[in-house]
Amino acid sequence: QAVVTQEPSLTVSPGGTVTLTCVSSTGAVTGGHYPYWFQQKPGQAPRPLIYDTNKRYSWTPARFSGSLLGGKAALTLSGAQPEDEADYYCFLSYTDARVFGGGTKLTVL
Amino acid sequence: EVQLVESGGGLVEPGGSLRLSCAASGFTFSNAYMSWVRQAPGKGLEWVARIKKLTEGGTIHYAAPVKGRFTISRDDSKSTVYLQMNSLQTDDTAVYYCTGGTYWGQGILVTVSS
Repeated sequence: QAVVTQEPSLTVSPGGTVTLTCVSSTGAVTGGHYPYWFQQKPGQAPRPLIYDTNKRYSWTPARFSGSLLGGKAALTLSGAQPEDEADYYCFLSYTDARVFGGGTKLTVL
Repeated sequence: EVQLVESGGGLVEPGGSLRLSCAASGFTFSNAYMSWVRQAPGKGLEWVARIKKLTEGGTIHYAAPVKGRFTISRDDSKSTVYLQMNSLQTDDTAVYYCTGGTYWGQGILVTVSS
């Protein structure tokens, strides 16, 4: 089964920009992996933010954007807010399995 | 209002079995791919299993750690998805989430311990 790797932790200043990445052990991440990004705050269920690489849900703030960057899936947060402090997980689809990344703990400080 | 409500969790001894249920409402269940995702205490999310809608054959996939021990199924007449968990091990201890499309339940705790 594939392994999906994310940065364990990142810090961003309020108002700043940060990019979280998602790497697949099988090679380059492509649109065919239909990358998703989820946000999870303590004690809460995960909430989807991005699907199919770069599509936002109606509830996703415009400051979040998804992309493919150098063979990785990426989530960019532009103009970080204190409420964006959370764990973020990418999620990739493979032929017969789905895999979450290990998660990135994002601190806004 | 969309709701996914998990039930059936609890404490079980190693080697035992549990069946989780997830009752859905507020959306067209029969059109949804349904999945189970778990999260061990203090750890990240782990995808467990998925079942497609029956009009697409109800195809099922499992994560490697649970294949052969867990069985996902669905009853569209009851808008419910199930996860039968057999031969449970201590590292199956987790909060189990039911998810369908963009919707997630609040999760239910399964503890495997003697």
